[in-house]
Amino acid sequence: QSALTQPPSASGSPGQSVTISCTGTSSDVGGYNYVSWYQQHPGNAPKVMIYEVSKRPSGVPDRFSASKSGNTASLTVSGLQAEDDADYYCSSYAGNNWVFGGGTKLTVL
Amino acid sequence: EVQLVESGGGLVQPGGSLRLSCAASGFTVSSKDMSWVRQAPGKGLEWVSIMYSGGTTKYTDSVKGRLTISRDKSKNTLYLQMNSLRVDDTAVYYCATNKWFAFDMWGQGTMVTVSS
Repeated sequence: QSALTQPPSASGSPGQSVTISCTGTSSDVGGYNYVSWYQQHPGNAPKVMIYEVSKRPSGVPDRFSASKSGNTASLTVSGLQAEDDADYYCSSYAGNNWVFGGGTKLTVL
Repeated sequence: EVQLVESGGGLVQPGGSLRLSCAASGFTVSSKDMSWVRQAPGKGLEWVSIMYSGGTTKYTDSVKGRLTISRDKSKNTLYLQMNSLRVDDTAVYYCATNKWFAFDMWGQGTMVTVSS
């Protein structure tokens, strides 16, 4: 049950795009199409932004997109806005348990 | 309104016990798969346990034998009984509903501090 690997930080200017990676193994990310991404602002609970690799729940802007290739998943935020400044976590189902990434602090410059 | 409200956190000594509650409104806890997820101060998220709607439970390795997830249909509440607590159990504990093999609805969290 090792954590997924994410870069600790990422940044971009308003209007730009940024991509955050999430690397796991064939036992989690590579083995299931059940990768999800969460946004967390300081002091708040996480919010699901992406589920089943690339699907967006109702209400999540289409500026948020995601994909997966092999054991690595990616989240792309396009047209960065100030409110996107937050921590982002990936997660993967791993067969009756879930693993999370260590989180990426996204800074909108 | 559909929501989850956690309670029961606090300060406890190592080796002590605590029971967390997660009161649900707007749906019945027994109709959904529900999890506990924790976040140590300044750290990332860690899945702790799940109770499937059918009653089956699963745990992350580090809490097996010490933490127990349960639910009370009459109170529409999910619980986490925490025994033999360790310093590294210190975290904000969130309850969440599972949907799409993800965590789609979260409570506001309750803080558990294990310290002498």
